[in-house]
Amino acid sequence: AQRVTQPEKLLSVFKGAPVELKCNYSYSGSPELFWYVQYSRQRLQLLLRHISRESIKGFTADLNKGETSFHLKKPFAQEEDSAMYYCALRNFGNEKLTFGTGTRLTIIP
Amino acid sequence: EPEVTQTPSHQVTQMGQEVILRCVPISNHLYFYWYRQILGQKVEFLVSFYNNEISEKSEIFDDQFSVERPDGSNFTLKIRSTKLEDSAMYFCASMAERTQYFGPGTRLTVL
Repeated sequence: AQRVTQPEKLLSVFKGAPVELKCNYSYSGSPELFWYVQYSRQRLQLLLRHISRESIKGFTADLNKGETSFHLKKPFAQEEDSAMYYCALRNFGNEKLTFGTGTRLTIIP
Repeated sequence: EPEVTQTPSHQVTQMGQEVILRCVPISNHLYFYWYRQILGQKVEFLVSFYNNEISEKSEIFDDQFSVERPDGSNFTLKIRSTKLEDSAMYFCASMAERTQYFGPGTRLTVL
C-alpha cells in the first residue's frame, strides 16, 4: 500500500533561515510526488511536482528514490510562507492522491 | 483564473439525514474527485469519476455514498444516511494535465 509520512506536525523557523519540510513515502511502483500548500482560509493548491523539477516561490524538492524522500526546501524563509504543507503521492496509471498528515510551518518574524 | 467551486461552505445536519454536497469543476476538465478530511487527520481519497462513471473508490466510499454529474457542470456527493463520523471537510477536485485542482471545501457537521 502506498503511504506518505510527514514526521513534523509543526515547524517554526525564523525569517531568513532555511526551511526543510520532510516527506518520506513508501510505494513499490513509480510514484509521482507533489507538494500542496494551504494558506490560512484558502484552498489546497499545488506548490510543485517532482516531474516538473521547477522552483515555485523559492521552494524546491528533489525526489530521492534511494531514500524514498521528497523533502521541500527553501534557502531563506519569508513570513508569507506560513501555511500548512501537504506532501502527496500518486502512482503512475492510478488517479487518487495519497496525502501525508501535513506540516504546519510558522515563520517567526 | 478558473477555480473549482463548492456549495455550501458549511452544512449542518442531523444524524440519519441525507445530504448533497455540490461542486462545479473547472470547465473542460474530465476527471473529478472527492476527498475528505476529518478534523486533525489527513486528507483521504473517497472516489474518482470519469466519463460518467466511478473509476475508483476507497473503502470509505460505501453504499451510503454516491456521486453524480447530473447536468454536465455540477458534480455531487450524496450521503444517504449521515453518521456522526461523517463530520469532516469534504473537498472536490478536478484534474487536467495530471494536476488536481481543489475546491475550497464543504464543512459537514453531523449532530
